[in-house]
Formats: sequence, C-alpha cells, structure tokens
Amino acid sequence: DIQMTQSPSSLSASVGDRVTITCRASQSISTILNWYQHKPGKAPKLLIYGASSLQSGVPSRFSGSGSGTDFTLTISSLQPEDFATYYCQQSYSTPRTFGQGTKLEIK
Amino acid sequence: EVQLVESGGGLVQPGGSLRLSCAASGFTFSHYWMSWVRQAPGKGLEWVANIKEDGSEKDYVDSVKGRFTISRDNAKNSLYLQMNSLRVEDTAIYYCARSRISVAGRPCDYWGQGTLVTVSS
Repeated sequence: DIQMTQSPSSLSASVGDRVTITCRASQSISTILNWYQHKPGKAPKLLIYGASSLQSGVPSRFSGSGSGTDFTLTISSLQPEDFATYYCQQSYSTPRTFGQGTKLEIK
Repeated sequence: EVQLVESGGGLVQPGGSLRLSCAASGFTFSHYWMSWVRQAPGKGLEWVANIKEDGSEKDYVDSVKGRFTISRDNAKNSLYLQMNSLRVEDTAIYYCARSRISVAGRPCDYWGQGTLVTVSS
C-alpha cells in the first residue's frame, strides 16, 4: 500500500496568512493526488485533483503543486471559512490512501 | 443538483451486520464509479471500497476484505455497503462519494453527509 504523510499535523494561522501544507507519498504517484477540505459535521469537499487542477467552484486562493512523491497545498490568503482539516489522497492505486490530515486552526 | 444521501447506520453488537444505502440523485448514476469512505471518531478519512459503473469491478481496503461487500443497483440509483462480522474498530461515520468522470485517478467530487455506525456491546 502507498503511505501518505502530511505535515504539519496541525497549524495555527491568522486570516490573511499564506499557508502551505505538504504531503509525501511512499512511492511515486505521478500527479494522481487529490486534496480535500473537511469541516466537522459536513461532507468532505474536493479542492484540488491531479495535484494542481482546481475543482470547479473552489476559490483561486487554493493551489496545488508537485509530482512524484512530494506535493503541496497552498492557501494564498486565509479566509475565516478556510479553517478546517485538510487531507491529501492518492488515487494512483488501490487502496486509495489518505494522509493523516492537517488541522488548520485560528491563531 | 447532485445529492447523495446515506442511510442504514446505527448501533450494532460486535459480530453483527448492517447494510448501508446511498440514494443518488441529480446525475446519471450508472455513468459513475462510486466509493465508500469512513472516519472513525477522532481519526482521519479512510477509503473503504469502490465499485465500477456497471458493478463489474470492486476494490476494498484490506481491513474489510471478506467482511464488507459493495454493490449497486443502477435502476434504483442506489449504492450499498453490506457489512458483516462487524468489529469495534469499524465504528465510524460512513460517507458515500461519487468519482469524477474522465479524470485520472477518479477523485471523489461529491460526498454525502454520512451515516454513523457504532459497533459496541
């Protein structure tokens, strides 16, 4: 199975900050990497697919990059609604493993 | 509007069974791979299983192989997860999710609100 490791596990930031979350795969997954946002009591939301493609309706302050084993999710200017937990997921092979999550909290 | 509504969760004893359902609407269900993903209390997301558009291919995470069965009824626009020999560690919110068409890796672009399964004596 491909292991996905996110860092940091938690992050405190302020509205307007630029934030970067990293995700590392245990083997190369090309660009078959997705990012999701999850808020308590809500359905997870797809933000980025294919490592860098923005899902329709997602604000342009979200961006993704990377290929092979190393990936990043960047939020260019944090908004109040962005405080949530973020997960990377590889869909290169089965099982389609998620990272452990990064909880983004208000400083 | 795409909607996915899960049902069938509840409290069950270890060793018991449950069948989860996911009612889909707002899209042509038979054109999409579908998945189940779960989140145990205080834990992260875990992919559980997926199924091809016509039901001909199914994949599972190792921890549920031989105990869980994913299926679908395209005539009823419904996805199912039959869960047998349930364990305490299967306690989680179970989400139904749709996979994007024509995108490498088929990411899950729509998710339901989830149904809670609690396995406890």
